[in-house]
Amino acid sequence: GAVVSQHPSWVICKSGTSVKIECRSLDFQATTMFWYRQFPKQSLMLMATSNEGSKATYEQGVEKDKFLINHASLTLSTLTVTSAHPEDSSFYICSALGGRSVSYNEQFFGPGTRLTVL
Amino acid sequence: GENVEQHPSTLSVQEGDSAVIKCTYSDSASNYFPWYKQELGKRPQLIIDIRSNVGEKKDQRIAVTLNKTAKHFSLHITETQPEDSAVYFCAASEPGGGADGLTFGKGTHLIIQP
Repeated sequence: GAVVSQHPSWVICKSGTSVKIECRSLDFQATTMFWYRQFPKQSLMLMATSNEGSKATYEQGVEKDKFLINHASLTLSTLTVTSAHPEDSSFYICSALGGRSVSYNEQFFGPGTRLTVL
Repeated sequence: GENVEQHPSTLSVQEGDSAVIKCTYSDSASNYFPWYKQELGKRPQLIIDIRSNVGEKKDQRIAVTLNKTAKHFSLHITETQPEDSAVYFCAASEPGGGADGLTFGKGTHLIIQP
């Protein structure tokens, strides 16, 4: 149980285009999902917290108009990188909190999406 | 906000020896401390976690200790094996209704020398 998927696993796009990344909890309902970004050889940095049916909470320094987050259902959150630029190239990883893990803070991570902006 | 420091950044040990990775955190309200193992290009894998009401936890070759007073926690791996080679991250979570993002340390690249 507690499987989280992401789609796509990798994407290459041109500068200026928008890219949507999906994060799904496959066998549980996720009350909260998180989006992290990881640059090469660096740590994971929390970008935003997404709660179903409400606006996402963004970490300081993360542009909410550039990284659009939608948590439309208890099993799906999407991250859209708008007007992507080469500096947005990174590994984007989502995690989900839900079910029995809510009381324990344990997060279940997706496999990540490698974004390359040319 | 929370700040997590992790040391060392690189750790090389002989196969069979023990490895210790240390982390400190800044927010005394943090109450959940997981450790993750990440292989290149893959998702972080939870290997052990500890909550603030516990001082030590062990799972086979892996143990974690927590000192709330000093605000530091450590990962101990005994009898290291080549497959333990990876990047390890500590993290801390602040209380907030059970829905908190994690603040990660910068990671430790563990190298097990055969």
